[in-house]
Amino acid sequence: RKEVEQDPGPFNVPEGATVAFNCTYSNSASQSFFWYRQDCRKEPKLLMSVYSSGNEDGRFTAQLNRASQYISLLIRDSKLSDSATYLCAVTRMGLYNNNDMRFGAGTRLTVKP
Amino acid sequence: DAGVTQSPTHLIKTRGQQVTLRCSPKSGHDTVSWYQQALGQGPQFIFQYYEEEERQRGNFPDRFSGHQFPNYSSELNVNALLLGDSALYLCASSFWGAPSYEQYFGPGTRLTVT
Repeated sequence: RKEVEQDPGPFNVPEGATVAFNCTYSNSASQSFFWYRQDCRKEPKLLMSVYSSGNEDGRFTAQLNRASQYISLLIRDSKLSDSATYLCAVTRMGLYNNNDMRFGAGTRLTVKP
Repeated sequence: DAGVTQSPTHLIKTRGQQVTLRCSPKSGHDTVSWYQQALGQGPQFIFQYYEEEERQRGNFPDRFSGHQFPNYSSELNVNALLLGDSALYLCASSFWGAPSYEQYFGPGTRLTVT
């Protein structure tokens, strides 16, 4: 089983739609959680951190459920510019009290006019 | 404030050759992690460097090695290249002591092995 798993997608939605992505992680000792956005042939860019209480940034809402080892990303009122691949990332403590980050395979979103 | 930089942007090599990729972290960051991203996949963790030492390693063979310099910049070396090493190689920087671990990625080096 992969350490971080995401909905494979692709998601094709009309402008204005609400779309939700899910991600599960297998390591219960995971500590920090993030969503990254990656445009085609570009580097991943940090979209938002995910906090235990849930957090919102404009049209984007992230949720964390530690008991179920599950995080989610909700995008409201989708824009054409939201079209990208969304990567779920999870960190865990390494041998030297460092953090190393593991990624899911990503979920491709296409927003259509 | 310079972000993470990587060089070169593209590289074409032949099977069996060796390659060196370079990364300069974001200003104020002291930790560099390297990732391999094959087409259609998420980034796969190769290793992480801090204080010029490899601190953590993913599931990659010894053909993959690295180095960190006193100015925090880093190199990734791959020996005996295989066709399967063709991928986007991403460098990410972070601050070791940060309470919330956030990484910032460079633009990547696209390696093609023929």
